[in-house]
Amino acid sequence: SQTIHQWPATLVQPVGSPLSLECTVEGTSNPNLYWYRQAAGRGLQLLFYSVGIGQISSEVPQNLSASRPQDRQFILSSKKLLLSDSGFYLCAWSALLGTEKAFFGQGTRLTVV
Amino acid sequence: GENVEQHPSTLSVQEGDSAVIKCTYSDSASNYFPWYKQELGKGPQLIIDIRSNVGEKKDQRIAVTLNKTAKHFSLHITETQPEDSAVYFCAASPSSGGSYIPTFGRGTSLIVHP
Repeated sequence: SQTIHQWPATLVQPVGSPLSLECTVEGTSNPNLYWYRQAAGRGLQLLFYSVGIGQISSEVPQNLSASRPQDRQFILSSKKLLLSDSGFYLCAWSALLGTEKAFFGQGTRLTVV
Repeated sequence: GENVEQHPSTLSVQEGDSAVIKCTYSDSASNYFPWYKQELGKGPQLIIDIRSNVGEKKDQRIAVTLNKTAKHFSLHITETQPEDSAVYFCAASPSSGGSYIPTFGRGTSLIVHP
């Protein structure tokens, strides 16, 4: 069966520090991968999605970037964090073909201080 | 792009009552509509979904209905239990080219009082 791993679960970082959040998927090949941010209003904001290695689409221009160095690995990064980057970050995957079901990781609670 | 509106933002019911959450979407090309349940501090979990060629789908105490003409779909939970308390999200997806990019509603916080 497929599983998605996201870490760390919580992170407290000072303003101006770098960020690296990692997400990996097991049990499937060529998944679509997504990064969402969930702010205090509970809505899910799509940040980046990827349909293949090295292919990244950005939905919202901001202080963050994403990379997909391997088929089942998706990384969210920042060179210098801002206070406004605080939030709950969620990685998700869906099968490239055959089904549109999306499955989420357990999330990373990022607090920028 | 797609726009999904979800109502209400908060819903409080007594245990055993029914709960209904409603969503509307804007893109007539959307043809897949999932619902997610998010418990505190966790990622959303898919609980039920419906495709545009079906008007209603049921799974035990939860059901989803879809009206493509009016572009709205609803989640129905019957015989609510305290463990149903969570934030529920609807989503719509205009599948194209094998990619799936769901647009989510803003969520409904369901509170079931024992």
